[in-house]
Formats: sequence, structure tokens, C-alpha cells
Amino acid sequence: SAVISQKPSRDICQRGTSLTIQCQVDSQVTMMFWYRQQPGQSLTLIATANQGSEATYESGFVIDKFPISRPNLTFSTLTVSNMSPEDSSIYLCSAGDEKLFFGSGTQLSVL
Amino acid sequence: KQEVTQIPAALSVPEGENLVLNCSFTDSAIYNLQWFRQDPGKGLTSLLLIQSSQREQTSGRLNASLDKSSGRSTLYIAASQPGDSATYLCAVKGSNYQLIWGAGTKLIIKP
Repeated sequence: SAVISQKPSRDICQRGTSLTIQCQVDSQVTMMFWYRQQPGQSLTLIATANQGSEATYESGFVIDKFPISRPNLTFSTLTVSNMSPEDSSIYLCSAGDEKLFFGSGTQLSVL
Repeated sequence: KQEVTQIPAALSVPEGENLVLNCSFTDSAIYNLQWFRQDPGKGLTSLLLIQSSQREQTSGRLNASLDKSSGRSTLYIAASQPGDSATYLCAVKGSNYQLIWGAGTKLIIKP
């Protein structure tokens, strides 16, 4: 199994600012993913974080808005840029090549 | 296109009862299926992973079954406890390794 540390756990941000979320895995993994979960809804995949190359974004998500870094096999960051109230959500980091493990999530509120 | 459905959306049962949560999928060509639980405002905890070649997996009071031919998986919880209250999600990984999520079943165990 893998243990994933995600921070911050929550933040309240002003419109127009950016927030970077960090995700640290206790073992090397090939696949890391970033999800968004809006209140009362299931998970939506934002992107797959690829080590050593650009992230692969899902339809509706773009690199300028959600830049992702993956400098090695245990760490990734997601930045939510130029935030608006519509970005208020839980952001989840996950990792795993077979079984998928999740961080504890970042609850983001944008005022 | 794979679709994953979880019915019911919510379920409330008295403590001590055995219960079954359902997950249906439309395309039987799956790679694996995973069950998760999510506590409010938190990340997801992996419960059970069933590979395509397997029929069931057990962990403690939890048993997950898989019937690919009928496009169904069930999560059986024995002797339910208030601590089992959470949202339960299933996710199906297709042959293209893309993960498709159900909307979840919100379970409440009444003391």
C-alpha cells in the first residue's frame, strides 16, 4: 500500500490568486492523478501527472488554469490559478499503478 | 462508452444489519474494479480491489463480488456499525486503463 500526504488540507483564498497543492507519496509510483470533487458529486479527473513530461489533461481542463509538476516518482503539485468562486471544491491527489490510493484532500474555498 | 451506476444513492439501516451496496457497469471488458469509502470532506480510502479474473475479495466484514457477464459488483457489509457510515464509491478501470467512477451510495448506520 502507499501513504499519500497532501497539503494544505484546507484553504480560503481570494479571487484572482493562485494556490499550489502538494502531494507526497511514501514510495515510487508511475501513475499519479489529480481529481476535483464538487459538493455532493463524484470525482472528476483533472489530469494525469507524468514524471519527466507534461501532464495529460482531461477535457475541460487546461494547463494554464491547472499547471502540474511531477519532478520525480514520489511528488507532484497542482496549482489552481487565477481562482474564482467556481473553483471552490475538494482537490484530491491519488497514486497507484494497480490499486489506487488517495491523499486526504484539499478543501478549497474561493471568496 | 463505459457508464457506472450506483443504486441506491442513499441508504439508512439500523446498526447490526447486514447490507449490500450495488455497482453496475455497461461494458464488461474491464481491467479491475475498486471499492472506496469517503468520509465527509475527506479523501478516499481504498477498501477492496477485484481484478477482472477474480469473482470476489474479502477484508474483515467486507466482501466484494464481481460478475462481469451481468455487469455488476456488490459490496456486502456484515454486522454494520455506526463507524461504517460514509459514502461508498466504486470505480471501474477499463481495458484502456481509464477509470470510470460511480456517483456513490451514502450510507447511514443508525445506532
